[in-house]
Amino acid sequence: QQQVKQSPQSLIVQKGGISIINCAYENTAFDYFPWYQQFPGKGPALLIAIRPDVSEKKEGRFTISFNKSAKQFSLHIMDSQPGDSATYFCAASKAAGNKLTFGGGTRVLVKP
Amino acid sequence: NAGVMQNPRHLVRRRGQEARLRCSPVKGHSHVYWYRQLPEEGLKFMVYLQKENIIDESGMPKERFSAEFPKEGPSILRIQQVVRGDSAAYFCASSLFDSGGTTDTQYFGPGTRLTVL
Repeated sequence: QQQVKQSPQSLIVQKGGISIINCAYENTAFDYFPWYQQFPGKGPALLIAIRPDVSEKKEGRFTISFNKSAKQFSLHIMDSQPGDSATYFCAASKAAGNKLTFGGGTRVLVKP
Repeated sequence: NAGVMQNPRHLVRRRGQEARLRCSPVKGHSHVYWYRQLPEEGLKFMVYLQKENIIDESGMPKERFSAEFPKEGPSILRIQQVVRGDSAAYFCASSLFDSGGTTDTQYFGPGTRLTVL
């Protein structure tokens, strides 16, 4: 009930292409869905987050799409750059101040 | 504007020793979370603390692990009698609780990489 499933595990995209990462959750009590970016040897950094009352949120080249009925959400990275090469984690939490449940991560490699 | 600070960044212990990991949250943040990341895996929640209180320790192993967040000073994650399986990256996050009840962002530190020989 607490699981968040993330796919694919890894992704290779050409510079300028679109990276798409998908996540699915089971617990309908989740109401906050952030995406984190992690570079090797560093801590996760918040990229963008969404709540179930909106279906899409865009910040620069990063867009979250949210499908409440399907219990799925995805991250789109437009115009992917080599500097975007990192591991991306989706996560979910319920209610204020609660723990984050993370997906397994997607390692993205952007080739120049 | 200092972010979440963790020390040490790297810690090597022999089996049976104690590991003590420290986390100083973002200034003004009163909520601290500890997560563990095994190699090539996602982060797993361990414990959630407020000052002088453990709010949720559902992810903490029942034995050998303890955490505290005293009124003064950093939060401490303590692992007694470490075993090889404890080797992982341990991340601390902090948040500023919104009185309006909305979930607030968790800001992560750089992590402590524990290696048990």
